[in-house]
Amino acid sequence: AQTVTQSQPEMSVQEAETVTLSCTYDTSESDYYLFWYKQPPSRQMILVIRQEAYKQQNATENRFSVNFQKAAKSFSLKISDSQLGDAAMYFCAYRLYNFNKFYFGSGTKLNVKP
Amino acid sequence: DTAVSQTPKYLVTQMGNDKSIKCEQNLGHDTMYWYKQDSKKFLKIMFSYNNKELIINETVPNRFSPKSPDKAHLNLHINSLELGDSAVYFCASSQVLTGGGDQYFGPGTRLTVT
Repeated sequence: AQTVTQSQPEMSVQEAETVTLSCTYDTSESDYYLFWYKQPPSRQMILVIRQEAYKQQNATENRFSVNFQKAAKSFSLKISDSQLGDAAMYFCAYRLYNFNKFYFGSGTKLNVKP
Repeated sequence: DTAVSQTPKYLVTQMGNDKSIKCEQNLGHDTMYWYKQDSKKFLKIMFSYNNKELIINETVPNRFSPKSPDKAHLNLHINSLELGDSAVYFCASSQVLTGGGDQYFGPGTRLTVT
């Protein structure tokens, strides 16, 4: 069974600092996608970053980058130069390559302190 | 241009009533979803349609009935509303069999049952 675990219910970071959110997943498949979604107080779910499992290179989108460790089934999100607008719930998600069911973690609430 | 839209954004109703939430996507995606997000922010998939065909039907009460008139629309009808149905309902879409399979969410519908 596919499961996604986010072990940090809540985290805090000082503005301009760097924070890393953890995510682990369980699967016996080799082809899949991993995602990080952001949900600010407006409740809109926003795609932050995507990683294809067949790619060894870690995905990067501006201040957001991931540390993808396939053997360890770990997919952490690093936010550099944190901004007040980064404060949100962050969800890790998994999808098999050719199947349309997404599995979401329970979320991590990120607080950004000025 | 709104990619995934939902109406209404807020819905307040009494127990026992029947209500519908509508969803439309203009991304040309082949797959649409309904999710329920509870008060603890846990995101749970309810249904998924691929080209108007129901392919994911999680353990959801029969009072919930999705309908997809075409691949750009997925509506959710709820009969005999109960207090426990109060939640935020998200519609989403993705292109699964080709492309990166990123999932795009609507703005959510906050349903409050009194």
